[in-house]
Amino acid sequence: DAGVIQSPRHEVTEMGQEVTLRCKPISGHNSLFWYRQTMMRGLELLIYFNNNVPIDDSGMPEDRFSAKMPNASFSTLKIQPSEPRDSAVYFCASSPQGGMNTEAFFGQGTRLTVV
Amino acid sequence: DAKTTQPNSMESNEEEPVHLPCNHSTISGTDYIHWYRQLPSQGPEYVIHGLTSNVNNRMASLAIAEDRKSSTLILHRATLRDAAVYYCIRFYSGGGADGLTFGKGTHLIIQP
Repeated sequence: DAGVIQSPRHEVTEMGQEVTLRCKPISGHNSLFWYRQTMMRGLELLIYFNNNVPIDDSGMPEDRFSAKMPNASFSTLKIQPSEPRDSAVYFCASSPQGGMNTEAFFGQGTRLTVV
Repeated sequence: DAKTTQPNSMESNEEEPVHLPCNHSTISGTDYIHWYRQLPSQGPEYVIHGLTSNVNNRMASLAIAEDRKSSTLILHRATLRDAAVYYCIRFYSGGGADGLTFGKGTHLIIQP
């Protein structure tokens, strides 16, 4: 298995533009997590899906952020409009059950720079 | 609030054992303890997890205190590749997003 695949690996965009980050979880995993990492705030959990349904989005910073999981093999995180303070590395992770007795697998991340 | 406490950084020598401590004094009876690590410029990587008993795998050992209020990740023979940030996570039994919340972690430095 190729693991969790994120695209693009790097994204540079201008303030005000729409940005879409993509994630393909490991086949058979039914839990998916989106994280944001910055030097100041560390790793922050943004949203968690289970069986394609958003379970907890309390970590989504504001309405400019939205996430979808239309099927078990694909998820998107969209920022519209983007702002310089959104610059960060965004990670996607998946796990077989999302429960306590399993491990989560992380992608390589998307480094977003908003100028 | 990750509800675990770890030292900000630790230093060790190559080929020596490393003991990384973690306090989780408010843990409940069914919460699992997970450890992940993050190498430079990579995503977090699973290391080990456990509930009550000590656990061993090819990467490390996890020693859990009898009262479960603390645990120690043991790297038996550190290499330069083990230099990373190590996160101890208390995985809540209620499930949901709180289950996989990262704190600041311990920055492990390995000296050659």
